[in-house]
Amino acid sequence: GAVVSQHPSRVICKSGTSVKIECRSLDFQATTMFWYRQFPKQSLMLMATSNEGSKATYEQGVEKDKFLINHASLTLSTLTVTSAHPEDSSFYICSARPDEMMTVTDTQYFGPGTRLTVL
Amino acid sequence: AQTVTQSQPEMSVQEAETVTLSCTYDTSENNYYLFWYKQPPSRQMILVIRQEAYKQQNATENRFSVNFQKAAKSFSLKISDSQLGDTAMYFCAFMKHSNDYKLSFGAGTTVTVRA
Repeated sequence: GAVVSQHPSRVICKSGTSVKIECRSLDFQATTMFWYRQFPKQSLMLMATSNEGSKATYEQGVEKDKFLINHASLTLSTLTVTSAHPEDSSFYICSARPDEMMTVTDTQYFGPGTRLTVL
Repeated sequence: AQTVTQSQPEMSVQEAETVTLSCTYDTSENNYYLFWYKQPPSRQMILVIRQEAYKQQNATENRFSVNFQKAAKSFSLKISDSQLGDTAMYFCAFMKHSNDYKLSFGAGTTVTVRA
């Protein structure tokens, strides 16, 4: 149980275009999901908290207009990188926290990540 | 803000041997959770073990165990009988007992298991 998927796993796009990444909790509901960014051989940096039915909460220094987050249902959150530039190239990881119905609610389960390359 | 420190960037261990990864954290909270996550070359983050701060008993999951020292704010991970599949980056993480559920990660320790 507690499986999180991400799509696509890899994406290459041209500079100036927008890219959407999906994060789905497959076997549980998640009111709260998280989006992270990870550079090679570095730790995960939290970008934002995605809440179903409300606006995302962004960490300091993260541009909310550039990284649009939509949490449309209890199993789906999307991250859209708008007007992507080469410096946005990175590994993006989502995680989901099971809702109160689950026995363990303090644990986040991670998606497999999306490698974004902006040319 | 919580700070999580992993002072060992890299560690190498012979197959079947034991390796211990260190993690210290800084917090003024009394109730919180601690985690070890593993990130193998596939980059999928996998939960290895979790510990609730109010529990004095150290958590154990098969070959993985922790030494939780609350007063010292230390949370080390011991991998026993190391296997080649244990080769990965290991992250220590902290979550305070609140309604934001945010994780603070350490910098990570790369573990290489040698055949």
